[in-house]
Amino acid sequence: GENVEQHPSTLSVQEGDSAVIKCTYSDSASNYFPWYKQELGKRPQLIIDIRSNVGEKKDQRIAVTLNKTAKHFSLHITETQPEDSAVYFCAASNERGYQKVTFGIGTKLQVIP
Amino acid sequence: GAVVSQHPSRVICKSGTSVKIECRSLDFQATTMFWYRQFPKQSLMLMATSNEGSKATYEQGVEKDKFLINHASLTLSTLTVTSAHPEDSSFYICSAPRPNPYYGYTFGSGTRLTVV
Repeated sequence: GENVEQHPSTLSVQEGDSAVIKCTYSDSASNYFPWYKQELGKRPQLIIDIRSNVGEKKDQRIAVTLNKTAKHFSLHITETQPEDSAVYFCAASNERGYQKVTFGIGTKLQVIP
Repeated sequence: GAVVSQHPSRVICKSGTSVKIECRSLDFQATTMFWYRQFPKQSLMLMATSNEGSKATYEQGVEKDKFLINHASLTLSTLTVTSAHPEDSSFYICSAPRPNPYYGYTFGSGTRLTVV
């Protein structure tokens, strides 16, 4: 089955700096890669996703890159703000999500004011 | 759109009792529902996948007789934790694939189960 590795597990950055979280996956059949932000005790919230037919996607301060050959994808947050502090999960699945999704272990991001 | 409502949000039960958690898709038909368990400071671990009208598929190591899943309609999936023990205390969350033309998943709000 799919195996998703995520690192780092914790990340502290100064407000205004950039944060990068990296994930690798093992199943070449995976073609949909969402990123979720989860605050304590709440449901994961989709912040950005990328499909395997593109290499990069950007939404304001958030961007995701995908390297299919190397089977890795990364989340980039620029100009970090304290409200970005949360746990971020990467995931891998098939395009429509009807097969199970595999989550990374999570990265606890702390943005220091 | 694509909202999943999960109840209860919190439940405290005594050891040995059973607890039912419900997930309802409010504005779409969820033919598939994923059930996850999340321990503190850990990732979401898939427990089982339910499909409307058929038996659930359980992940390795998940006891199907302890975690009963029912998906009798296109809008309701339930997880029953039977004979709960303190080690079953966790955050349980359901998720369904978003309907066409969307991609990805929609999550329920989660259920914090505490077994005392």
